[in-house]
Amino acid sequence: NAGVTQTPKFRVLKTGQSMTLLCAQDMNHEYMYWYRQDPGMGLRLIHYSVGEGTTAKGEVPDGYNVSRLKKQNFLLGLESAAPSQTSVYFCASNQRQVNQPQHFGDGTRLSIL
Amino acid sequence: KQEVTQIPAALSVPEGENLVLNCSFTDSAIYNLQWFRQDPGKGLTSLLLIQSSQREQTSGRLNASLDKSSGRSTLYIAASQPGDSATYLCAVSETGGFKTIFGAGTRLFVKA
Repeated sequence: NAGVTQTPKFRVLKTGQSMTLLCAQDMNHEYMYWYRQDPGMGLRLIHYSVGEGTTAKGEVPDGYNVSRLKKQNFLLGLESAAPSQTSVYFCASNQRQVNQPQHFGDGTRLSIL
Repeated sequence: KQEVTQIPAALSVPEGENLVLNCSFTDSAIYNLQWFRQDPGKGLTSLLLIQSSQREQTSGRLNASLDKSSGRSTLYIAASQPGDSATYLCAVSETGGFKTIFGAGTRLFVKA
């Protein structure tokens, strides 16, 4: 079972460059999330989606954009990367039924120089 | 604003010991509380989810309790094993379940 797959696993960018992180899930989940994890801190929610074609802001949305054109995919974009966006990014998904646990991908390690 | 704190930040115990990890949260109006495990370089794996109306959940050697009135949860691990070595994160979800606030985690090392 693939579960939640994140692409790429690692990436180094220069300040000002743009890139898109891809999250794909094969569990037919309605809800999808993007988090960032920084040393000594818990995960922080960037954006989330409750269904195809919908997105909403989380705790730290500035500098990021997202799209959910297909139910199984959730894309996270950085239009102009900044060193403060160096982090590990995690995607997660879960079912629409109440109190369902989130399933996580293995993360994308992003460094911005 | 909801804040989640986990104490201790790191813990080292000998194999076979029973242990307790602590989690506290500032706003008792939660939807659910989850405990996750994170291995180095990996994503999070959900261990236990406690609904706001529940007091505890059990899975194998793991038992998690929830006391909303005091804003506390504990994760009890019985008969610890080296394979339990990982970072354990506590997370609370606000009403609706979409916004989840994570603690910074407790890094556990079980010595053989």
